[in-house]
Amino acid sequence: QVQLQESGPGLVKPSETLSLTCSVSGGSMSSYYWTWIRQSPGKGLEWIGYNYHYGTTKGNPSLKSRVSVLIDTSRRQFSLRLSGVTAEDTAMYYCARGSGPVAGTHFDSWGQGIQVTVSS
Amino acid sequence: QSVLTQPPSVSGAPGQTVTISCTGTSANIGANFDVHWYQQVPGAAPKLLIYHNSLRPSGVPDRFSGSKSATSASLVITGLQAEDEAEYYCHSYDNGLSPVVFGGGTRLTVL
Repeated sequence: QVQLQESGPGLVKPSETLSLTCSVSGGSMSSYYWTWIRQSPGKGLEWIGYNYHYGTTKGNPSLKSRVSVLIDTSRRQFSLRLSGVTAEDTAMYYCARGSGPVAGTHFDSWGQGIQVTVSS
Repeated sequence: QSVLTQPPSVSGAPGQTVTISCTGTSANIGANFDVHWYQQVPGAAPKLLIYHNSLRPSGVPDRFSGSKSATSASLVITGLQAEDEAEYYCHSYDNGLSPVVFGGGTRLTVL
């Protein structure tokens, strides 16, 4: 049974870079889409980006190339870096595992989420 | 505005049946991409409820079922229980700029 756990600072200053880590316990890290999803207060789910184990990465175009998702299989972790944050990036951030082919990927495991606030 | 359209809210009494719709376009559901559903109870992370249109992960009661047709999908919950009160989200793949698209969510209230 795979378990995911987010970690990182809960407060980030405007214009700085938000950095979060997701630790993966149980299961393989191969052949999955390691994904970040966020949820602004009172809002729905927004996909941020993913990294497929074999190197394919993709970010939400609405975030204008501010996103990078990296995998470190030796540490069983993957990370999110979101640059140039503004108050609009304040949200609950979830890491998730995407299973299946890219066009049929579903998120079958989720972390508990970490609240990140952007404020000076 | 979400790419997939869901009703903001639905409600039903215990024991009743409710249906939550998810309407897409020819770039996602209509292109025959699968639909997945998630349940998010207040204060918790989303949980996979239905995947590949109609499959249930182990542990999900068979009161929950999903279907897909043309450019829309539906989540049906039979025998409503108080514990079903939650937000429900649909998700699919999209041929456009963002491959992962969600519905805006539907709040289910058990009366």
